[in-house]
Amino acid sequence: NAGVTQTPKFRILKIGQSMTLQCAQDMNHNYMYWYRQDPGMGLKLIYYSVGAGITDKGEVPNGYNVSRSTTEDFPLRLELAAPSQTSVYFCASRTPGGEKLFFGSGTQLSVL
Amino acid sequence: KQEVTQIPAALSVPEGENLVLNCSFTDSAIYNLQWFRQDPGKGLTSLLLIQSSQREQTSGRLNASLDKSSGRSTLYIAASQPGDSATYLCVECNAGGTSYGKLTFGQGTILTVHP
Repeated sequence: NAGVTQTPKFRILKIGQSMTLQCAQDMNHNYMYWYRQDPGMGLKLIYYSVGAGITDKGEVPNGYNVSRSTTEDFPLRLELAAPSQTSVYFCASRTPGGEKLFFGSGTQLSVL
Repeated sequence: KQEVTQIPAALSVPEGENLVLNCSFTDSAIYNLQWFRQDPGKGLTSLLLIQSSQREQTSGRLNASLDKSSGRSTLYIAASQPGDSATYLCVECNAGGTSYGKLTFGQGTILTVHP
C-alpha cells in the first residue's frame, strides 16, 4: 500500500490563480480530511468527507472547495488564491472504526 | 468548541532522560486519542492510539495513558535519544452525533534531545 499520496509537494501561486491539491489513498478508507498548518499553529480542518459523494465543512472552509467522487480521491480546490492561503496542507484518511489516522506528506503552498 | 491543549510548548533535555508530554482535552465524548510525531518539513507519523475504553498503550520506549475523567493524556518517553527530537502532537477524536469522527489537534510540544 502506498498509503496517502499528496501532490504536488511544493507550489507557488500568484494572487488570483487557482489550483487543485490532489489526495489519494489506497486503503479503502471512508473518512478523508484536509488540514492546513500555519507556522506555530495547530492543524485546522478545512473540509472532510465520510464517504464518496459526502463532504462537509470544517473550521476554515472559506476559499476552498472539495469533491469526493470516489472512495480513493479527495481533491482540494483553491479558487482565487490569496496570500492568507499560504500554508502547508495535509490530507489524511482513516476508517470509521476508530483505527489510526494516516497522513500524506503535505503540500507546501505559497501565494505571492 | 472542543479544545486540546499541550504542555509544555517546548522541551529541551539531555540524552538519556525520561520525559513526559502532557495533553488535556475538553471533549466529554471522546472516541480515541492519538499521538503523532512530526519532523521538520515532513508529514505526521502515528505513534500510539488509545481507544476511550483503554487506559494506556505502549510501543517500545513510548507509553501513552488516557484518563477520561480528568480529560488528560500523557506521553512518556523513556531513555530519550537525539532521534526523538521532533514535534509531538496530541489528537482527540469525537464520538458524538454529527461530530462523530471530528478530530481536534493540540498545537504540539517541540522536543529537543541534545547529546
